[in-house]
Parts: sequence; C-alpha cells; structure tokens
Amino acid sequence: GNSVTQMEGPVTLSEEAFLTINCTYTATGYPSLFWYVQYPGEGLQLLLKATKADDKGSNKGFEATYRKETTSFHLEKGSVQVSDSAVYFCALSLNTGGFKTIFGAGTRLFVKA
Amino acid sequence: EPEVTQTPSHQVTQMGQEVILRCVPISNHLYFYWYRQILGQKVEFLVSFYNNEISEKSEIFDDQFSVERPDGSNFTLKIRSTKLEDSAMYFCASSYEGSGGYTFGSGTRLTVV
Repeated sequence: GNSVTQMEGPVTLSEEAFLTINCTYTATGYPSLFWYVQYPGEGLQLLLKATKADDKGSNKGFEATYRKETTSFHLEKGSVQVSDSAVYFCALSLNTGGFKTIFGAGTRLFVKA
Repeated sequence: EPEVTQTPSHQVTQMGQEVILRCVPISNHLYFYWYRQILGQKVEFLVSFYNNEISEKSEIFDDQFSVERPDGSNFTLKIRSTKLEDSAMYFCASSYEGSGGYTFGSGTRLTVV
C-alpha cells in the first residue's frame, strides 16, 4: 500500500545546529511529495513540495530532494532557530482520483536557545 | 494571504448528538478535504470533494459522516450520532489543483462527552 515513514521524535537541537529529518515513502505510481509544519495550536502549513524525481523543494531555509532511487524526501536546514520548534509532517499525494494526501506520523522538533 | 476559515474553534457535544463542522475554503479553490488528528498525532484522511461530489473517502468516513457544499462557499462535515472516539481535531483543507498541496484551516476541536 501507500505509506510514509519518518523518523521518530522528539528531535532536540541547539540553535544554529544542522537539522535532518528522515522520510521514506512507499507508493504506486508517481506521487508528489510534501513537508508540512504544525506550530502549537495551529493547523498544518505547507512548507515545501516536489512533484517529480530529482526536484528540490525549498522554503524558509528548509530543503528536501525527491529521491526516487531511495524513495526518500529528507528535510534539511543548515541552521535552526528557536522559532522552528514545531511538528514536521512528511506527506505524499497520489495525483489520482481525489488527490488524497497521506501523512507520516510527524516529528516534533525542539530548538533550545 | 487567503485563508481557510473553520468554525467553531471548539465544540463540546454529548454522545449521540449530531454536530456540523463548518469551513469556508479559499474562493477559487476546486478541491476540498476533511482530515482529523487525534491527540496531536497522525493526520488521518476522511474525505475529498470535487465538482460537488465525493471523489474519495476513507474507511473512517462511514454512514455517520456526510459532507455538503450547500451554497458554493461553505463546506460542511456532519457527524450524525457522535461517539466518544470521534473526539479529535478536525481540519478542513482546500487546493486549486489537487497535486499542488493544500491550505489547511486552523481546525475545530471536537470533544464528545
């Protein structure tokens, strides 16, 4: 079936540290891939996306590259800030039918000053 | 920036009662969705809606659930007879093109007592 697996949290980093959150997927066909972020008490916000293999999505210093050969879409940021503390969700959309999006379990990030 | 608006932000209801959760998607969006999140955990797909009909629904979306777009702007989720396990955060989302990623509302917290 179609699924998304991401690293368990919480991840705790000091400010200005390098961030990697791993994400792998299983899908039939050619999905689009996404990272969403959820700040406390809020809805999910689209952070970045990639629609085909080797595409790199980027936004607000975050990046992720669509790797078809390893079925991965790891999220990276070179220097995290306290304001990046949130839950990050990797997700895929099957680009068929109702364009349902399947979410990973989420990874909570804490950034300490 | 355009927003998806959800009301109410919090609803408490007695088990067995009917509830209607309301959403106003972004005006030029074509695809509409309901998701739910229990206790800040995994985001679960309920239903997708396009061209005034359901395009896909999950196993969770049984006969107790229904959706409507009654007037071309609102998008509602009705739960006919609520159960304790329906307690969750319910998110509405919309998108212009299905594969481009969603804009989420800030959610309705439903508490069934």
